[in-house]
Amino acid sequence: RKEVEQDPGPFNVPEGATVAFNCTYSNSASQSFFWYRQDCRKEPKLLMSVYSSGNEDGRFTAQLNRASQYISLLIRDSKLSDSATYLCVVKHSGNTPLVFGKGTRLSVIA
Amino acid sequence: NAGVTQTPKFRILKIGQSMTLQCTQDMNHNYMYWYRQDPGMGLKLIYYSVGAGITDKGEVPNGYNVSRSTTEDFPLRLELAAPSQTSVYFCASSYDRRTEINNSPLHFGNGTRLTVT
Repeated sequence: RKEVEQDPGPFNVPEGATVAFNCTYSNSASQSFFWYRQDCRKEPKLLMSVYSSGNEDGRFTAQLNRASQYISLLIRDSKLSDSATYLCVVKHSGNTPLVFGKGTRLSVIA
Repeated sequence: NAGVTQTPKFRILKIGQSMTLQCTQDMNHNYMYWYRQDPGMGLKLIYYSVGAGITDKGEVPNGYNVSRSTTEDFPLRLELAAPSQTSVYFCASSYDRRTEINNSPLHFGNGTRLTVT
C-alpha cells in the first residue's frame, strides 16, 4: 500500500459546484497533514493545514479522520481559478520528511 | 524577498554530462530540500539539509550529490547524467521541520526542467 494515496482524477466540475477529494495514508503514526495546490508547470504552494477538529478557510474545508486514516478537502462554489492539482501531504513523527501524494487534478468548467 | 531562486529554468544534457542545479533562499531558513517530480507523479525527496554543513539522503539520492556550505545555498550536483534523471527538480526551504506550524510551510522555487538525452 502506498504511503499516501489519492484519486488522480481528473475531476471535471461546472462552476459553482461542490467537489470533494479524499486521501488515505498508511502510517498510523502520521502527525501532520496538509493540502498543497500545484498549477500546471508550476511549483506547489501550501493551501491549508489539516487539523484534527477540521478547519475551514473560505470556500475550502479540510477534515481528518485518524481512525480511518484519511483526510479530505471540500471545495464549495468552485471557481475557474480553482483548476489545479491538489496534493495531499503527510508528515510522520520526528524528523522524517514530508510525503507527497501524486495529486488529484481538478478542472472547473465554465 | 526573492524567496527561493532556482537556476537554470531549463537544461538539456547529454548522457554522461554533469551539471549543478543552483538553489538559493533569502529567508534565513534553516531547512532546505531537493525534490524531483516525474510526469503524473508525486514529489520525491532527493536530499535535504537541516543547516549549514549538514546534509541527509532522502528517498531517491542515487546519482546526486549536495553540499550546504552556507545557509542560503543548497546546490544539487549530477555527476553522470542518465535518461532516468529527466524530471522537474524543485528546491524548497522552511524555517524548521515543524511544518505543522502555519508560518513554516515549505516554500518552493520555480523548478528546473531537466532533459537527459
